[in-house]
Amino acid sequence: DTGVSQNPRHKITKRGQNVTFRCDPISEHNRLYWYRQTLGQGPEFLTYFQNEAQLEKSRLLSDRFSAERPKGSFSTLEIQRTEQGDSAMYLCASSLGVAGEGTEAFFGQGTRLTVV
Amino acid sequence: AQKITQTQPGMFVQEKEAVTLDCTYDTSDPSYGLFWYKQPSSGEMIFLIYQGSYDQQNATEGRYSLNFQKARKSANLVISASQLGDSAMYFCAMREIQGAQKLVFGQGTRLTINP
Repeated sequence: DTGVSQNPRHKITKRGQNVTFRCDPISEHNRLYWYRQTLGQGPEFLTYFQNEAQLEKSRLLSDRFSAERPKGSFSTLEIQRTEQGDSAMYLCASSLGVAGEGTEAFFGQGTRLTVV
Repeated sequence: AQKITQTQPGMFVQEKEAVTLDCTYDTSDPSYGLFWYKQPSSGEMIFLIYQGSYDQQNATEGRYSLNFQKARKSANLVISASQLGDSAMYFCAMREIQGAQKLVFGQGTRLTINP
């Protein structure tokens, strides 16, 4: 297993266009997270899946954002009608969730979105 | 709500010296986990070290150690014998034990190792 994989690595889009990112987690990991990181800041939580169920969404996730994880495997994050403020690094992470401690989250290399 | 504060925007250290990166946290949860991640220019967040709030001993992983002072709510990262490849952004993060177990990150410290 090569770790968490994200595609594409870079995306440049015009304002108003829709974009979709993909995340392939580590295969046995049941938990999957999306984070957003703007320049000079730490990552901020967007949403969380346990298997195929989306169990938590941040207030940062406006109605233009939608995430799915069909069959509890890969996940997609779609942004509709992109705005310049959506420009950021979008990071995906996965972990093996067990009661109590759980394990550390492993991150992908991220998708850097630039909205022009 | 959980909060992480990293007060050092940038640190410059000579190669082979030890460096301490500061992290303070705030939470009302009785149990929690503390993490340090390294982010090189490639963008990937690389896990370095973990400290549980009930762990009696400070965590160590190779050249990394975590100076955990629970009463002061600090979790400083110590890197011994720094190397040029240690140059990167470093993030301290806290994880809730219940629910989503999501991470809350600080703003990061940019560490530069000079030859």
